[in-house]
Amino acid sequence: QVQLVQSGAELKKPGSSVKVSCRASGGSFSTFAISWVRQAPGQGLEWMGGIIPVFGTPNYAQKFQGRVTITTDDSTSTAYMELSSLRSEDTAVYYCARDSPAGYIHYWGQGTLVTVSS
Amino acid sequence: EIVLTQSPGTLSLSPGERATLSCRASQSVSSGFLAWYQQKPGQAPRLLLYGASSRASGIPDRFSGSGSGTDFTLTISRLEPEDFAVYYCQQHGSSPYSFGQGTKLQIK
Repeated sequence: QVQLVQSGAELKKPGSSVKVSCRASGGSFSTFAISWVRQAPGQGLEWMGGIIPVFGTPNYAQKFQGRVTITTDDSTSTAYMELSSLRSEDTAVYYCARDSPAGYIHYWGQGTLVTVSS
Repeated sequence: EIVLTQSPGTLSLSPGERATLSCRASQSVSSGFLAWYQQKPGQAPRLLLYGASSRASGIPDRFSGSGSGTDFTLTISRLEPEDFAVYYCQQHGSSPYSFGQGTKLQIK
């Protein structure tokens, strides 16, 4: 069974950066896409981007281009999402997720709350 | 960018009733690339349906999906107490892989 375990909650100041990790276990890591989805308090789901580790080239939503960096470390089966120039509107739960071969999200991490506040 | 619009925003029904949730796309979505998720408070979303109509592992057969092109539907035939949650559709055929804004299914 695939499990995705994310790093803990973060409190960040406006203008800073945050890096969230997502360690995968069970199944193959390299050949399935990892997506990052966020959810602001009381709001819906928002797809930020994804990466297929074996190819290494990320695909970002236009909204986050220039501020988000998604990477993977195959040696530890860990994916990372770094978001820079944080503002209060970035306060949200950030989920990592593993896609199926067809592209829908099959497994979700438990979520990481990132709070941006001065 | 494909925009998904879900309706209604909130649906109030009683256990045992039938629920019909809609997801409309701004452009045609291949039915192979439309998924539905369920989210309960404080939890990560859970995959319900993929390919518009195929149930994920462990999903009861009271959940069904249909549709093609720009109009998709999630139907819950007889609501159980555990079905009251928020439901999202997602298209994953054209980046960015957008979600609908969600339908909250609440107990009447």
